[in-house]
Amino acid sequence: DAGVTQSPTHLIKTRGQHVTLRCSPISGHKSVSWYQQVLGQGPQFIFQYYEKEERGRGNFPDRFSARQFPNYSSELNVNALLLGDSALYLCASSLEAGGMGEADEQFFGPGTRLTVL
Amino acid sequence: QKEVEQNSGPLSVPEGAIASLNCTYSDRGSQSFFWYRQYSGKSPELIMFIYSNGDKEDGRFTAQLNKASQYVSLLIRDSQPSDSATYLCAVKLYSSASKIIFGSGTRLSIRP
Repeated sequence: DAGVTQSPTHLIKTRGQHVTLRCSPISGHKSVSWYQQVLGQGPQFIFQYYEKEERGRGNFPDRFSARQFPNYSSELNVNALLLGDSALYLCASSLEAGGMGEADEQFFGPGTRLTVL
Repeated sequence: QKEVEQNSGPLSVPEGAIASLNCTYSDRGSQSFFWYRQYSGKSPELIMFIYSNGDKEDGRFTAQLNKASQYVSLLIRDSQPSDSATYLCAVKLYSSASKIIFGSGTRLSIRP
């Protein structure tokens, strides 16, 4: 079975631009979460979507938005990019949202490395 | 106080020895606990999860949870050079979402 896939793998943008990152979950998984990881830190939670609805939001500005499609794939959008948005953006999928045990396990994709100049 | 705290390391352990990684968390409402391994330049890989007090073993890995002390640990037996990586402790807070809070990670180095 294919794991979580993300595109693109690398991206270079300039300040003020907009970016869209894409994620396809593991087959059968209905929940997608987005994380931002800067060098030397653990991933920080941005959003979780389940069955196309937002189930959780982290402490990120409104410049960050996301959505989930009927096939459970997801997009993360970031507007008005800042230098501080440079990071590895990770997508993780799980069977459910708010579940316990195996349904709770989140599996990460390879990430998108975003560089803002 | 950080929600999930880990010693950043590096933790250096000889090959074949037991590596012990520790994590504390602040929210008593936390319900699930995860250990991820992350190699440099790669994404986190789930090693184990635990949500009941006590020990859970999977191969060379044992996760230990003590909710009263708000403490979770990971033991790696018979450490191998391939175990050299950053280990991330993650905690899920009780809610309708699966918001997972990560620690900053502990760098583990297995010396031959």
